[in-house]
Amino acid sequence: AQRVTQPEKLLSVFKGAPVELKCNYSYSGSPELFWYVQYSRQRLQLLLRHISRESIKGFTADLNKGETSFHLKKPFAQEEDSAMYYCALSRSYSGAGSYQLTFGKGTKLSVIP
Amino acid sequence: EAGVTQFPSHSVIEKGQTVTLRCDPISGHDNLYWYRRVMGKEIKFLLHFVKESKQDESGMPNNRFLAERTGGTYSTLKVQPAELEDSGVYFCASSHPQGPYEQYFGPGTRLTVT
Repeated sequence: AQRVTQPEKLLSVFKGAPVELKCNYSYSGSPELFWYVQYSRQRLQLLLRHISRESIKGFTADLNKGETSFHLKKPFAQEEDSAMYYCALSRSYSGAGSYQLTFGKGTKLSVIP
Repeated sequence: EAGVTQFPSHSVIEKGQTVTLRCDPISGHDNLYWYRRVMGKEIKFLLHFVKESKQDESGMPNNRFLAERTGGTYSTLKVQPAELEDSGVYFCASSHPQGPYEQYFGPGTRLTVT
């Protein structure tokens, strides 16, 4: 069965400190991995996806297939990064069909001024 | 471009009553997904529509839940009769018919069953 694990429920860091939000997954095959973010009083929105290999708002995430991990990192945390972060996976894009997301429980990031 | 909208934003009902949640996807998005998050648990998939057809309803918890998408536009999710364990936040997401299949989420409907 596919599963996404985010071991930290809450992560507090000081402004300017590095951030790493952990995500591990189990999936038979090659999934597509995502990070979604939900800021206070806003809707869930896509932050980044592994296939894009881009940096959004200073965040990066590298897919490590050997360790089945997709940790989210940022070298210097900002106060506006405080939010709920969800790691998610779906099957790899291959045309029509369902691409339902499997989510982790989320990690609340709190950046202390 | 208007985003995904959901109505109502919050609903409080008594056990045994019926509630209908509505989702309006982004115009032109054939794919529509329903998810829910119950207290303390992760966000879980319920079902997926492609236009008006149910593509995958493997996440629907039981037959008290009925989802429809007549005409392939907005969708409704009816819970009848509601039970206490149905309380949670129900999310709707839509995605474009052609790749990369990014899902855009609505604000969610918070359902409280007392």
